[in-house]
Amino acid sequence: AQKVTQAQTEISVVEKEDVTLDCVYETRDTTYYLFWYKQPPSGELVFLIRRNSFDEQNEISGRYSWNFQKSTSSFNFTITASQVVDSAVYFCALSSPYNTDKLIFGTGTRLQVFP
Amino acid sequence: SAVISQKPSRDICQRGTSLTIQCQVDSQVTMMFWYRQQPGQSLTLIATANQGSEATYESGFVIDKFPISRPNLTFSTLTVSNMSPEDSSIYLCSVAAKSYNEQFFGPGTRLTVL
Repeated sequence: AQKVTQAQTEISVVEKEDVTLDCVYETRDTTYYLFWYKQPPSGELVFLIRRNSFDEQNEISGRYSWNFQKSTSSFNFTITASQVVDSAVYFCALSSPYNTDKLIFGTGTRLQVFP
Repeated sequence: SAVISQKPSRDICQRGTSLTIQCQVDSQVTMMFWYRQQPGQSLTLIATANQGSEATYESGFVIDKFPISRPNLTFSTLTVSNMSPEDSSIYLCSVAAKSYNEQFFGPGTRLTVL
């Protein structure tokens, strides 16, 4: 069975702090994809990143960075110098071509960035 | 990336009625998905809709309650039938771009059942 765990229900930080959102996944498939989505208060789901299981290189995009470690089945997301506009719910998700590519979502982490 | 629109964006409905949600994509896609997000919760897949075949429903969801149509490669509908207050949720359509294995989501339909 596939499962995604986001143990942090809610995180509060002050602007300019760095924050890391944790994601741990379970799958028996050798090929799979990991995703992060952002859901701001407006409700729309914004795609942030997709990673395949064969690519363990860390990725940086502006203030966002992702750390994929197969050894610990984790795909953590770090926001550097957080801003108020980063306040949202962040979802980690898993999919597999052996499972019709449907997304299995974690329960989400609500990030609040205070000025 | 794909541009996805949903109609209606929100609705308030009476118990016992049905609502059909439309999902339109600006390009042809193989797979479309319907998700439900109950208040304060994560997203749960309702069903996968492929063009030309019956939708595949996840455990806990049945066709009589959530009939789905997929008449072509750019359009799908989800009907929420015989609604109760427990159906109050955001319903999201998503599409998979197979060549990139990316999934994009529509803006969602906020449904409130009184």
